[in-house]
Amino acid sequence: QKEVEQNSGPLSVPEGAIASLNCTYSDRGSQSFFWYRQYSGKSPELIMFIYSNGDKEDGRFTAQLNKASQYVSLLIRDSQPSDSATYLCAVNIGDTGRRALTFGSGTRLQVQP
Amino acid sequence: DADVTQTPRNRITKTGKRIMLECSQTKGHDRMYWYRQDPGLGLRLIYYSFDVKDINKGEISDGYSVSRQAQAKFSLSLESAIPNQTALYFCATRGRDVEQFFGPGTRLTVL
Repeated sequence: QKEVEQNSGPLSVPEGAIASLNCTYSDRGSQSFFWYRQYSGKSPELIMFIYSNGDKEDGRFTAQLNKASQYVSLLIRDSQPSDSATYLCAVNIGDTGRRALTFGSGTRLQVQP
Repeated sequence: DADVTQTPRNRITKTGKRIMLECSQTKGHDRMYWYRQDPGLGLRLIYYSFDVKDINKGEISDGYSVSRQAQAKFSLSLESAIPNQTALYFCATRGRDVEQFFGPGTRLTVL
């Protein structure tokens, strides 16, 4: 079992709709969770991160954690064509103080004008 | 100027050659990382370093070695390149905050 799993997509949504992206993780001790966006041929850039103590909303983006089921979701409201990219979920895995990010394989999002 | 730079940006080499990819950062971060990205496989951690004397193997370190020459420099070497090391390589850094900052990437092709 991979440590961080994502559906590769593509996830296609119409402009203005809500896009819902999910990932599951295997390490119950994980404390922090990240969503990166990567445009084709570019480097990943951080969109949001959350700790295990709660969800977070930032503009059109909301990150939610379900610890019992070990999955993290990213909601994008009012999706725009410029949101079309691959979204990478990442989790801090490893011994406390010596953790490194483990990434999922990414979900490709397509927002149709 | 970019905070995290990688050289070269593109490299084509032949099987068996020794290759070094370099990463430099001006962010003053202690932690540095090397990832490779293959289509459909996301980013996989090769090596990471918490400071100059603390270097750790990641998920896929076989066939690679690293050198942390200074706080600002972290190099990745392929001692004898093979075709399945063809990939996009990213360097990343992290300071006291949780965010990792990525360099622009090096596209490596091994023929």
